[in-house]
Amino acid sequence: DTGVSQDPRHKITKRGQNVTFRCDPISEHNRLYWYRQTLGQGPEFLTYFQNEAQLEKSRLLSDRFSAERPKGSFSTLEIQRTEQGDSAMYLCASSFEKFLYNEQFFGPGTRLTVL
Amino acid sequence: AQTVTQSQPEMSVQEAETVTLSCTYDTSESNYYLFWYKQPPSRQMILVIRQEAYKQQNATENRFSVNFQKAAKSFSLKISDSQLGDTAMYFCAFFVRRGGTSYGKLTFGQGTILTVHP
Repeated sequence: DTGVSQDPRHKITKRGQNVTFRCDPISEHNRLYWYRQTLGQGPEFLTYFQNEAQLEKSRLLSDRFSAERPKGSFSTLEIQRTEQGDSAMYLCASSFEKFLYNEQFFGPGTRLTVL
Repeated sequence: AQTVTQSQPEMSVQEAETVTLSCTYDTSESNYYLFWYKQPPSRQMILVIRQEAYKQQNATENRFSVNFQKAAKSFSLKISDSQLGDTAMYFCAFFVRRGGTSYGKLTFGQGTILTVHP
């Protein structure tokens, strides 16, 4: 399977704990995106990388959130001191910059539940 | 800032019939792309159809077509000959292209849950 993969698929944690999610993009894609989707809503942009560089961060990305893409391949999204409001589906997507439409291919998501 | 509005939280249709999902958007940009994405229950999001703002011709992909009204900032999705597999949440989305560079962020609407009944 050469699609976007995310790990873990589900994560249950207690408030105040730190969590880390991983995303592996399609191998030839140089752009990687993180979105957050709450139940019954559309995805909201968090941040994106072009190769190793983090080019844009949303105001939604508080200082408890950090994302990295150290070698321009996989990316991690860490949430420190989780809060119940962080419960959501975290989606990763990838694309290739040179494609005219910048079509983004989405992974299955990581569902986070903060108790 | 760009906004996307889907005013129909839920729609239903009988198998083999036609349904239209609405989307309006707001932007001051002149060069942008519009998309419809489908998110089946517990499955990942996939692209259904896309439209370039500079093209007047409406995009079509098999049973899926759009009605793009640029002046009205409207971008509706028509699904013909609806199938049970079309049951999903549908999102309208938008991104900006400036000076040959596509700005990566997609802005999504709230979504419309479509149920196709046998």
